[in-house]
Amino acid sequence: SQQGEEDPQALSIQEGENATMNCSYKTSINNLQWYRQNSGRGLVHLILIRSNEREKHSGRLRVTLDTSKKSSSLLITASRAADTASYFCATDAIGNTPLVFGKGTRLSVIA
Amino acid sequence: KAGVTQTPRYLIKTRGQQVTLSCSPISGHRSVSWYQQTPGQGLQFLFEYFSETQRNKGNFPGRFSGRQFSNSRSEMNVSTLELGDSALYLCASSLFGTGGNEKLFFGSGTQLSVL
Repeated sequence: SQQGEEDPQALSIQEGENATMNCSYKTSINNLQWYRQNSGRGLVHLILIRSNEREKHSGRLRVTLDTSKKSSSLLITASRAADTASYFCATDAIGNTPLVFGKGTRLSVIA
Repeated sequence: KAGVTQTPRYLIKTRGQQVTLSCSPISGHRSVSWYQQTPGQGLQFLFEYFSETQRNKGNFPGRFSGRQFSNSRSEMNVSTLELGDSALYLCASSLFGTGGNEKLFFGSGTQLSVL
């Protein structure tokens, strides 16, 4: 079963705007990760946030984690056409369990 | 450092056949995980191998199997293919795998089409 669920399923914005994607999950986690996938290719790791962290930045990416609400958000600032891709959250649950992915948000950035 | 290499990139098979997919992890990585990705189900975990031992297994039928060799390369096999097995099969490697609190490095995947 899916652990993380992204929202929205699809998002279309203009170049230069900010894009926000949300992820909700069900069980306690060690960390939460965000990945990006260009059409038909492998996933690329973007950022990992541990359960004791609340916010993390990497370039134009900002990730927040609220363990009390079991939710995370990924913000991409000043989006570019090259940011067009699918974005997945993945949860590393407590216990010896594999990384579980949500179904992703499809982001389209229009030039 | 070379990335995760998956072969072949594309594969077309017919129902009832079997298929073997290959994955070479990043040098030094001992954990290899396999995922199946379909438009309807997203990424579904198949199994994880660490130091030649299967450490975790997803909820897939016994037709799906895998193994890992002493050089950490991994193969997965699907026997008696069904139309529903059409998917992108992704391999990912990491140093310690499950419980290691680390990220995964993915290959480009093998796109399997079952006719």
